[in-house]
Amino acid sequence: QSALTQPASVSGSPGQSITVSCTGSRSDIGSYNSVSWYQQHPGKAPKLIIYEVTKRPSGVSSRFSGSKSGDTASLTISGLQTEDEADYYCSAYTSDWLFGGGTKLTVL
Amino acid sequence: QLVQSGAEVKKPGQSLTIFCQGSGDSFSTSYIVWVRQTPGRGLEWMGIIYPRDLHTRYSASFQGQVTLSADKSFTTAYLQWSSLRASDTAMYFCARSVASEGYTLDVWGQGTAVIVSS
Repeated sequence: QSALTQPASVSGSPGQSITVSCTGSRSDIGSYNSVSWYQQHPGKAPKLIIYEVTKRPSGVSSRFSGSKSGDTASLTISGLQTEDEADYYCSAYTSDWLFGGGTKLTVL
Repeated sequence: QLVQSGAEVKKPGQSLTIFCQGSGDSFSTSYIVWVRQTPGRGLEWMGIIYPRDLHTRYSASFQGQVTLSADKSFTTAYLQWSSLRASDTAMYFCARSVASEGYTLDVWGQGTAVIVSS
C-alpha cells in the first residue's frame, strides 16, 4: 500500500480537463510544499511535470497545473491530448520520498 | 542526463552492481536517489547518495539490503546487492535530487531491469 493515495484510473475525452487527486496526511502533504508529479509512459522513465506543488519545469506544457488543499494535492490537465495518456504519480518529500500508487489516464 | 546500465538476469544468491552515469558539475553537486518500481508496490525510494562526499542515507525498507556508492570522479553512482532474492526483481531508476527545488527528482535515468530467477 502506497503512502499517498491516488485513484487507480481517470479518463477524459480530447479537449476536456481532468483532475487527479493525491491524498496524504498532516505529516506529509499537509506540512510540506515539496509535492511533485510525474508522468510515465509505458516502458519509459518517469518525467517531472510539476514540482513544489505548482511549479512547472521548463518545457512542460502549461496545460499541466498543480495545487494543494490541506492534505490533498491535485494535478489538473486541461485540453486533453492523446499523448497525455500515461500513468501519473504524485510524490512528497518529507526527508523521505513518498509516492502515490499511480493513476492511469485514458484519453478516450 | 543520467544513463543507466543495461538489463540484468541473475540467479538467487548472486551479487549484482548496476550503475548510473551522469555528466559534468551538476552530477557531483547533486544528490542521486535510487527508486524501485514494481507492479505490486509501485515506486519506492531506496536510498540517496551525495557523490561529492559519498554520504548515504537509506530508506528503512532497504537499509541493509543494498549498498549505494559512487566513484571518486563523481560521475557514476552504483547500486549493489550482495545476495539477490527473487523479490528484487524490478525496474530500478536513478534520479537527480536538487535541494534548491525541494529535493524534487528532476532528471531520471532510463531505468535498469533486474530479473532474479532460478
